[in-house]
Amino acid sequence: ESVLTQSPGTLSLSPGERATLSCRASQSVPGSFLAWYQQKPGQGPRLLIHGTSTRATGIPDRFRGSGSGTDFTLTISRLEPEDFAVYYCQQYGSSPATFGPGTKVEIK
Amino acid sequence: EVQLVQSGAEVKKPGESLKISCKGSGYSFTSYWIGWVRQMPGKGLEWMGIIYPDDSDTRYSPSFRGQVTISADKSISTAYLQWSSLKASDTAVYYCARRSSYYYFDYWGQGTLVTVSS
Repeated sequence: ESVLTQSPGTLSLSPGERATLSCRASQSVPGSFLAWYQQKPGQGPRLLIHGTSTRATGIPDRFRGSGSGTDFTLTISRLEPEDFAVYYCQQYGSSPATFGPGTKVEIK
Repeated sequence: EVQLVQSGAEVKKPGESLKISCKGSGYSFTSYWIGWVRQMPGKGLEWMGIIYPDDSDTRYSPSFRGQVTISADKSISTAYLQWSSLKASDTAVYYCARRSSYYYFDYWGQGTLVTVSS
């Protein structure tokens, strides 16, 4: 089973700042099958990015995914108030699919 | 519009059984796998297993195999997650999600809170 770690655990930033979230896998993710999800309190997760770098329908271009192999990054270029949430990465290239523990982006 | 609507919150005692549901609409229910994801209080997401409603082919994460049963009734576009004997450690929010053709979850239900307490 591929174990994902995310860093940092919490990111304290101000609106307008750039956020860089890291996701590292214990083994290479086949096909770069890595997704990012956003979750706000009391809500279910929302798909942001799939296939490492493809934005889901309706996701603004300030969200950018990159990486390969075992190291992946989600970058939010300029934080908007609605972006403060928890972000999870997920690898779905090997079974079982696994999630990272999440990075909380909070308002500084 | 794709929608996954889950059944309401449940409060149960240890040892009781439970079956929660997830009804899909707005797409061909038999053409996509449905997955279940656990989120324990204040914790992250855990992939439990998936089912293909057309033929009920089911795959479980090793962590959940034998602990839960995933099933589906394609005639009513509904997937289920059930327990035969709940434990306090089953207290969590459970999400169903549609697995896209490329294996990531593209649509999610609103979640069902299961509370197990004596």
